[in-house]
Amino acid sequence: EAGVVQSPRYKIIEKKQPVAFWCNPISGHNTLYWYRQNLGQGPELLIRYENEEAVDDSQLPKDRFSAERLKGVDSTLKIQPAELGDSAVYLCASSFRQGRGEQYFGPGTRLTVT
Amino acid sequence: DQQVKQNSPSLSVQEGRISILNCDYTNSMFDYFLWYKKYPAEGPTFLISISSIKDKNEDGRFTVFLNKSAKHLSLHIVPSQPGDSAVYFCAASPAQGNQGGKLIFGQGTELSVKP
Repeated sequence: EAGVVQSPRYKIIEKKQPVAFWCNPISGHNTLYWYRQNLGQGPELLIRYENEEAVDDSQLPKDRFSAERLKGVDSTLKIQPAELGDSAVYLCASSFRQGRGEQYFGPGTRLTVT
Repeated sequence: DQQVKQNSPSLSVQEGRISILNCDYTNSMFDYFLWYKKYPAEGPTFLISISSIKDKNEDGRFTVFLNKSAKHLSLHIVPSQPGDSAVYFCAASPAQGNQGGKLIFGQGTELSVKP
């Protein structure tokens, strides 16, 4: 069974440019998460979806970040415009349902903003 | 405010010996705890978990201990193998409700197992 797929794996952009990350969760997983991991830190949740509904976006910087999961399957996270401090690894995870189910992570997208 | 803390950034252990990774938390609303392992250029992978109603959970070479009064948990790996070398993250989850399933991660501990 395929794991969580993310693309691109690496992205280098100049500040003020837009960038988008894509995630395809494990088939059948209703819950999808986007995390940001800064260097030397653990992942921090940005947004959590239950099917197509964002049930927790309290940590998402809404002035420049947006996300969508239109059909309740794959998802896109966008930053516009990017800032130097956005350099991080962006991880997508999925689980069968919200709650105690373990989360399965994709390999992440390493973003470098210059 | 760091609700989940892993105070040791790194740990070095000889192959065959025990590795003990520690984690402290501050939020008494956490009732489920997990350990994830992460290799370079890969996402974290689930290792083992424990509910707050237990004080120990064992899976092969991996055992997690929970001390609720001290708000402390630890991961024991016995015997340690070179392939265990990775970054280990402790994570905690609040009780069910609208926060159920949300994971709060520690900063990670990099384990190096020397042959």
